[in-house]
Amino acid sequence: DMKVTQMPRYLIKRMGENVLLECGQDMSHETMYWYRQDPGLGLQLIYISYDVDSNSEGDIPKGYRVSRKKREHFSLILDSAKTNQTSVYFCASSRLGGRSYEQYFGPGTRLTVL
Amino acid sequence: QQKVQQSPESLTVSEGAMASLNCTFSDGTSDNFRWYRQHSGKGLEVLVSIFSDGEKEEGRFTAHLNRASLHVSLHIREPQPSDSAVYLCAAMQQGTGSKLSFGKGAKLTVSP
Repeated sequence: DMKVTQMPRYLIKRMGENVLLECGQDMSHETMYWYRQDPGLGLQLIYISYDVDSNSEGDIPKGYRVSRKKREHFSLILDSAKTNQTSVYFCASSRLGGRSYEQYFGPGTRLTVL
Repeated sequence: QQKVQQSPESLTVSEGAMASLNCTFSDGTSDNFRWYRQHSGKGLEVLVSIFSDGEKEEGRFTAHLNRASLHVSLHIREPQPSDSAVYLCAAMQQGTGSKLSFGKGAKLTVSP
């Protein structure tokens, strides 16, 4: 069963704290993504990873960094979180060469920064 | 970056009546399009992917693509209350590898 998992599902942090969001997939997909979803804005791409240690900025990378040391894991890191980073974060994965390949999404992490 | 506009923002239909959602794009730089469904508090589930002008059917979900008018639609046949969700369209731009541009979503409510 193809699956993308995200941990934690819910997280509350104070402004200035560091945040680590984790994503895993069991499909050996080369490409993985981090999006954030805000009311009225839809999904916005933060980072894309084409394989281990091959990461590329998306449309809104400022304030975020990522780490991909194993193909099946992709982490999103917020150093010194800000209140405007309160959002729902989605991870996705797909085969490389994405035109014909679907992106499979995880269930999301709801992050609140106080 | 491709801009994606969805309409209507929300729609209520009765169970069994056809539901139709629309998406328009800002330019012709995308070469494939997708419709996703998102139930409240859940992730995105792909419904239909369409790459050519015309129609693509996946069960009760049919997408229509017209590149010349920068328009793609989704029609849901015999919608059920379990189809109540937010529907998002997305476009993948040529030459961007795997980057999708999403619309803001349309909330569909199916009443029994």
